[in-house]
Amino acid sequence: GIQVEQSPPDLILQEGANSTLRCNFSDSVNNLQWFHQNPWGQLINLFYIPSGTKQNGRLSATTVATERYSLLYISSSQTTDSGVYFCAGSGGGADGLTFGKGTHLIIQP
Amino acid sequence: GAVVSQHPSRVICKSGTSVKIECRSLDFQATTMFWYRQFPKKSLMLMATSNEGSKATYEQGVEKDKFLINHASLTLSTLTVTSAHPEDSSFYICSARVFKGSNTEAFFGQGTRLTVV
Repeated sequence: GIQVEQSPPDLILQEGANSTLRCNFSDSVNNLQWFHQNPWGQLINLFYIPSGTKQNGRLSATTVATERYSLLYISSSQTTDSGVYFCAGSGGGADGLTFGKGTHLIIQP
Repeated sequence: GAVVSQHPSRVICKSGTSVKIECRSLDFQATTMFWYRQFPKKSLMLMATSNEGSKATYEQGVEKDKFLINHASLTLSTLTVTSAHPEDSSFYICSARVFKGSNTEAFFGQGTRLTVV
């Protein structure tokens, strides 16, 4: 199956800062998605982005499918942005998603 | 987006008993649903793929007799943890997917935190 590497594993920032989270895939993926897991465990869909660039408020994402990576940008961070961010994709003949290990983001006031 | 509802959100059971977790797609039909497991501070690992009207497909290392999956309708899949033991304590989360052209977008339930005592 595919391997998914996320970086950085941990990130501590001050409120108002910008951040970039990265996801590398070992092979071509379909259905690439970014999620935010809230403190209760719920996975919130941020982006469905198999290719190209999308923006939603302070968040945006870019996937370069030919180079097998995706980036999540968070601008003007707020304390409510804290949590774990996962990227995931399916590939290698599998239907289910393979998740990265996540980036644990802490935004300090 | 599509809504996936999972129940219960939290359950505590005694060792040796069985626990059933339900996953429902509320506003769409799902011929396929997926079950994941997440250990504390770890990532999500795919356990099995639930197929409506046929047997589930289990990932390597997942005991199918321990984790029984039934997908009896286009909106409901159930995961039963049989003869639960403390090592089965974990966060279980299901997903269903919505087709977007030739690809699919996954939506997740709220998850079930299982504690076996």
